[in-house]
Formats: sequence, structure tokens, C-alpha cells
Amino acid sequence: KQEVTQIPAALSVPEGENLVLNCSFTDSAIYNLQWFRQDPGKGLTSLLLIQSSQREQTSGRLNASLDKSSGRSTLYIAASQPGDSATYLCAAPFILGGSNYKLTFGKGTLLTVNP
Amino acid sequence: NAGVMQNPRHLVRRRGQEARLRCSPMKGHSHVYWYRQLPEEGLKFMVYLQKENIIDESGMPKERFSAEFPKEGPSILRIQQVVRGDSAAYFCASSPPRDGTIKQYFGPGTRLTVT
Repeated sequence: KQEVTQIPAALSVPEGENLVLNCSFTDSAIYNLQWFRQDPGKGLTSLLLIQSSQREQTSGRLNASLDKSSGRSTLYIAASQPGDSATYLCAAPFILGGSNYKLTFGKGTLLTVNP
Repeated sequence: NAGVMQNPRHLVRRRGQEARLRCSPMKGHSHVYWYRQLPEEGLKFMVYLQKENIIDESGMPKERFSAEFPKEGPSILRIQQVVRGDSAAYFCASSPPRDGTIKQYFGPGTRLTVT
């Protein structure tokens, strides 16, 4: 059974600050790990997907790292902006067999960036 | 290529009525997943379907809930005799067959309110 934990549950920072969101998972036999953004009352926006063979993935001001051996992933946001305010979710696949899998989500980190 | 489509986006039902949620996967995707997000809780897996087959339904409540993905047409999540506790956001995701990246693409969700 895959369990995903995100720390902290909530984070409030001033604009311009660099920040790190943490995600840990219990089953290290994962194909990949995915980070999502969710705005209030909205759907999921995929931010980054890190394959198990990769150690990090970058997109603009976002950088995600993956350490399978320790069961951890981090999402680094550089030079935060008020528009980054949202809930950030990480998700790890739980393998059902063959290439079949389902995603297990953490409860998310609610980020508030204050102008 | 249109994304994953869900309808309706908002659904209001009175207790005891039936709710039918529809999901059209991305073109070429034959795998569909349903997730539920209860208020103040994380996203939880419900069911995984391929065309005409239920692959895993370990997250589905034992009663009142059913899902299908017919050969033609959208996937349907059906909730019979809804209760207030069914109020939640229901998200559908799809993925292509045997996709090496194992990435799921999410729809905008259906927000069900039971009055």
C-alpha cells in the first residue's frame, strides 16, 4: 500500500521568497512522481513529472527532485509570486500489476504568497 | 487534441436522487480513473477502468456506487440514492494504453452537492 505525506500542510511567505515543499512516500517501487497545482474550486494542473530514472525536473521557476531510496521528493519554487498561491499536491503511483496503476495523493500544501 | 472532458461541471441533487457523472477521455486514451475529493480531504482513488472492463475498484464504496466505460461513449460514474456525505468533487483522469511515462491527465471535475 502506498502512503503519501506532505509537509507542511500550510505555508505563508512574503513575495520573492524561495521555498521548498516536501513529499514523502512509503513504497519506493515507483515509476514516477507527479506534482500538481490546484486552485480553490478548480481542477488539477500538472506541474512536473519526474521519472524514476531521473533525479530532478525543472520548469521555469519550479524544480522538483526525487530520491527514491529515501522515499522523498521536494518541489522548489524560486522567487515566489502572489499568483503561486494555491494548493500543491504530490502523487505517487501504486502498481496494481503489469502496467496498471493508480495514483495515491498527499493531502497537499496550501501555499499563500503575500504581496 | 481536446483534454479530458467532464460534465456536468456542477450537479445538485436532493437526497435519494441519482447522480450520473460523465467523463470523456482524451483522444486515443483507453484507460479511465475516477477520484473523489471530499471537503477538507485529499484526493482518493475510486475506480480504474479500461474499455468494457473494471480493472480495480478498491476505492469504490460497496453500495450505491457503480462505474462503467462502454465500448462507445463516455465513462459514467453513477451514484444511486445520494446522501449528503456524497457531496464532493469527482475527478476523472485518462491515460493512453501502455504509456511508458505513466502519466494521467485530469479533467476539470464535477462538483456534486447533495441538498
